[in-house]
Amino acid sequence: QSVLTQPPSVSAAPGQKVTISCSGSSSNIGNNYVSWYQQLPGTAPKLLIYDNNKRPSGIPDRFSGSKSGTSATLGITGLQTGDEADYYCGTWDSSLSVQVFGGGTKLTVL
Amino acid sequence: QVQLQESGPGLVKPSGTLSLTCAVSGGSISSSNWWSWVRQPPGKGLEWIGEIYHSGSTNYNPSLKSRVTISVDKSKNQFSLKLSSVTAADTAVYYCARTHRVVTARVYYYYMDVWGKGTTVTVSS
Repeated sequence: QSVLTQPPSVSAAPGQKVTISCSGSSSNIGNNYVSWYQQLPGTAPKLLIYDNNKRPSGIPDRFSGSKSGTSATLGITGLQTGDEADYYCGTWDSSLSVQVFGGGTKLTVL
Repeated sequence: QVQLQESGPGLVKPSGTLSLTCAVSGGSISSSNWWSWVRQPPGKGLEWIGEIYHSGSTNYNPSLKSRVTISVDKSKNQFSLKLSSVTAADTAVYYCARTHRVVTARVYYYYMDVWGKGTTVTVSS
């Protein structure tokens, strides 16, 4: 069981919008900053969002992040078939003294 | 830009020691970043193993701490992972990653912005 909880899967049609939730506690999301990673099939994870809502250079603004209390959300607009991937949230857990990840959410673009 | 490349044996015998190296190119391992190891068992999610700073300071996942050693070789611009007493449960893809770690008033700004391609390690006799 992961410390951070994500839905196992989400799906939406091309061009639509999808959100992926990440639920934690006061020792992780509640007090620290959240990052999001995209893992395309057979490849390494790639940083999508850091510090809750910032995008690294080269990440399109179709991807957005937000945080409220002990939960965080990744939003993807204008869905493309190339967005089909596993998405992971991550943050530091101050009680466990460890970087924790969510279990991952598989995005299917129908 | 910074690139990371993992290397090491793809097959390790049970009870043996897994040894991997991550070569850093396009930048210095002595920059103000930490350097992490993350693994992913087949069909499963990501697990943080631990991290090292160029000074040699380390932090390990408590669940693996008794078996893990991460070291740095500044002369070769690389860092390494050793995991002892391995079992089949340690079979995974192992990634190295550049890590931004800033702590302000006990608040952690923590993320991994550059990842290696990963290397598959199988534990089997």
